[in-house]
Amino acid sequence: QVQLQQWGAGLLKPSESLSLTCAVYGGSFSGYYWNWIRQSPGKGLEWIGVINHDGNTNYNPSLERRVAISLDASKNQFSLRLDSMTAADTAIYYCSRGNGYDWGFYFDHWSQGSMVTVSS
Amino acid sequence: DIQMTQSPSSLSASVGDRVTITCRASQSISTWVAWYQQKPGKAPKLLISKASSLEGGVPSRFSGSGSGTQFTLTISSLQPDDFATYYCQQYNTYSATFARGTRVEVK
Repeated sequence: QVQLQQWGAGLLKPSESLSLTCAVYGGSFSGYYWNWIRQSPGKGLEWIGVINHDGNTNYNPSLERRVAISLDASKNQFSLRLDSMTAADTAIYYCSRGNGYDWGFYFDHWSQGSMVTVSS
Repeated sequence: DIQMTQSPSSLSASVGDRVTITCRASQSISTWVAWYQQKPGKAPKLLISKASSLEGGVPSRFSGSGSGTQFTLTISSLQPDDFATYYCQQYNTYSATFARGTRVEVK
């Protein structure tokens, strides 16, 4: 039974950086793609980026100047950093397992999500 | 980016109704489409991948079809547990995109 559990700060001031970590329990870490996705009333579900077990990353072009995803394979954890946060980044953030191919995947397991609010 | 457009944005239905939700892609994406169900306060749950492949544990009243640019999610006989919001997602490229969803409400 695969489970994803995330944690990190939930309230940030404008210009601060978001840092979230996701731990993966059960199942194999290799062979899958580890993603961050966010959801807001304004933009709906928005894919942020992915890292595979080799540490290769891809990011949403709209966010790639501000985002970094890293991996600690020894702990089955991966992390998100999003810089220069603004109110437009207020959303529920999820980590998720991608299943598919290097060029595309669907999301078969999700974390419980956490609300991140950016406010002065 | 490939845009996904879903219709209707909301619908009202009764238990036992047949419900059909449509998703259109801005360019051909073969069958690289997934469907999700989301209930308030919960993460999306995967129902279908590759346009028509039902995930394990998902009731058989859910089905998906389509290819190219037009895709459909059908609930053959709506059950009380099915009132939720449904989303399609394309994975023809690594930059996945989701539609804005269809909210299925009680009539």
